[in-house]
Amino acid sequence: DTAVSQTPKYLVTQMGNDKSIKCEQNLGHDTMYWYKQDSKKFLKIMFSYNNKELIINETVPNRFSPKSPDKAHLNLHINSLELGDSAVYFCASSQLTGTETQYFGPGTRLLVL
Amino acid sequence: TQLLKQSPQFLSIQEGENLTVYCNSSSVFSSLQWYRQEPGEGPVLLVTVVTGGEVKKLKRLTFQFGDARKDSSLHITAAQPGDTGLYLCAGEMTAGNKLTFGGGTRVLVKP
Repeated sequence: DTAVSQTPKYLVTQMGNDKSIKCEQNLGHDTMYWYKQDSKKFLKIMFSYNNKELIINETVPNRFSPKSPDKAHLNLHINSLELGDSAVYFCASSQLTGTETQYFGPGTRLLVL
Repeated sequence: TQLLKQSPQFLSIQEGENLTVYCNSSSVFSSLQWYRQEPGEGPVLLVTVVTGGEVKKLKRLTFQFGDARKDSSLHITAAQPGDTGLYLCAGEMTAGNKLTFGGGTRVLVKP
């Protein structure tokens, strides 16, 4: 029983394409997050949703658009992919924001060629 | 500029040795967390410290939050190969706010 799942695990695509990553959590948490981990393993928050509402929106290009159809799902759509978008994208969830334990998914490894 | 700086960036030791990883900042944090990430997986929370000067122990791991709540350390006693991984500290500046992660410390424990 996976707590936080992401699909796909690997994504290889060409520059300029549009792609989506999906995330689901079965922990009953109210808050979900998207993080980007670059090649140097630096993990940076991109977005956070609480009960389907956007609460954190970091300085992320507007080519990235998160969508939360319900509080158990948080998807990430990326338009016009660029080489610099290559990274591992992690979804996470927590009951509340910040101090509460964040549970991370296994990550989606995106490679833009 | 990273708000939280971890040192060292990489540490390679023999099984049985001790190690310490540091997480430093010039900013005050309301809480600080330590995560371990293994290859191909997401980070997993090890501990959360919230009080200045707090020390928490998790088996062979000892975590300390600085008195001024600007820094933290993770000490592993008698390291084992299973301790190998990327250790990340993450701080929350205001309660209920986002987590800011440090750059990570890669630990390799050789048998």
